[in-house]
Amino acid sequence: GNSVTQMEGPVTLSEEAFLTINCTYTATGYPSLFWYVQYPGEGLQLLLKATKADDKGSNKGFEATYRKETTSFHLEKGSVQVSDSAVYFCALSDEGWAGNNRKLIWGLGTSLAVNP
Amino acid sequence: KAGVTQTPRYLIKTRGQQVTLSCSPISGHRSVSWYQQTPGQGLQFLFEYFSETQRNKGNFPGRFSGRQFSNSRSEMNVSTLELGDSALYLCASRNQGAETQYFGPGTRLLVL
Repeated sequence: GNSVTQMEGPVTLSEEAFLTINCTYTATGYPSLFWYVQYPGEGLQLLLKATKADDKGSNKGFEATYRKETTSFHLEKGSVQVSDSAVYFCALSDEGWAGNNRKLIWGLGTSLAVNP
Repeated sequence: KAGVTQTPRYLIKTRGQQVTLSCSPISGHRSVSWYQQTPGQGLQFLFEYFSETQRNKGNFPGRFSGRQFSNSRSEMNVSTLELGDSALYLCASRNQGAETQYFGPGTRLLVL
C-alpha cells in the first residue's frame, strides 16, 4: 500500500541555518503531496502542497518539489527562525483525484527545534 | 470564516467507559475526517464522512464509530475505552472535490 517515510528527528538547528527534512513516498498512481506543521499544543496546519510531478509548493519561506523520479518531496527553508520550531509531517493523498474516497497517509513527523 | 472546531479540548476517562467527541467543520465543507495521533503510531486515519455517509474507514476496531449530521457536524464515539485509546483525536474538513484538509485543534483524550 501507499506509505510515507520521513527522516527521523529531532532536528536541532541554530537560527538562520538551512533546513532540509527528507520525505520519500511509495504510491500507485499520482498522489498529491503535502507538508503539514504542528506547533506545540495545536492541531495541524497545511504548510504547502504539490499536486503533480515537478510542482513546487511554497509558503512562509518553505519549499518542496514533487520529484516523481526519486519519489521524494523534501522540505527546505533557507533560513530558519525560532518560531519555526514545530513538528513537520509529510503526507500523501491516497487515491488521487477520484471521487470523494480520499484519506491522507502520513509520515511519522519530524520535530524541529531552532535555537536563538 | 471560522475554522474547524472540536469539543471538548481535553477529556479524562477511565477504562471501560465510552466517550463522544464533536467536530464542527468549516462552513460549507461537507466532508469530515477523523484521525488518531499517538506518539508510537503517529497519525492514523479513522474514517471520513460526506453528506452523512461514511465514505472511507481505517483499520480500527468496531469500538470506534462515527456519524455526521445534516449540518455536516460530526461526532465520533469510542466505546469500552482502553488505555491504548489515549491520544489526540483530530478532525479535518474539506470542500467537496478538494484534496486539502483543514484541521481542528484536536481533542486530547486520556484514559486511566
